[in-house]
Amino acid sequence: LAKTTQPISMDSYEGQEVNITCSHNNIATNDYITWYQQFPSQGPRFIIQGYKTKVTNEVASLFIPADRKSSTLSLPRVSLSDTAVYYCLVGPWAGNNRKLIWGLGTSLAVNP
Amino acid sequence: SAVISQKPSRDICQRGTSLTIQCQVDSQVTMMFWYRQQPGQSLTLIATANQGSEATYESGFVIDKFPISRPNLTFSTLTVSNMSPEDSSIYLCSVVWGDAETQYFGPGTRLLVL
Repeated sequence: LAKTTQPISMDSYEGQEVNITCSHNNIATNDYITWYQQFPSQGPRFIIQGYKTKVTNEVASLFIPADRKSSTLSLPRVSLSDTAVYYCLVGPWAGNNRKLIWGLGTSLAVNP
Repeated sequence: SAVISQKPSRDICQRGTSLTIQCQVDSQVTMMFWYRQQPGQSLTLIATANQGSEATYESGFVIDKFPISRPNLTFSTLTVSNMSPEDSSIYLCSVVWGDAETQYFGPGTRLLVL
């Protein structure tokens, strides 16, 4: 299972774009990249998932270079409510093998 | 979207006792998992709850301590047995629908063992 490395913490201000980069040098061919958001005392919430290139949804964008050894979560125009821990995970999703290894995540603080 | 609920949402228990946590989904799911998140830490997978058979436990977790049931495709329970203060944690269930490639999490159960 691939291991991920991401910054422990980041600071930003309301209205700014935030980019959180995750390294996963040992990603396997059948691994997907998934990002979750977690608020204190709540379960993680799915944000976005991708395999290669760029994925965009109503919440965020995910940029994945051709070698897939890293990925960047982009949050446009953050607000105070985006203050949370963001987890990057890679793992095989095929069949019954959906085990994930969770790192410590990135604690994002959005300031007024 | 489907709803995942957990009961209880929180509890305070005495050491040596057991607590059973329920995870209920309002639609049938393919897979159900149980995680633990200790204070200030990340998530650790305890086991995969298998419908109609014994759960598959990860290294460091055993059935005697964390018995799991999954009688159907929408419900599972995790029991934390013979609790000690080290079991104080948030316990989370997660589910996967069909052939989807995403896990969705319940709200969690916050357990404090005195």
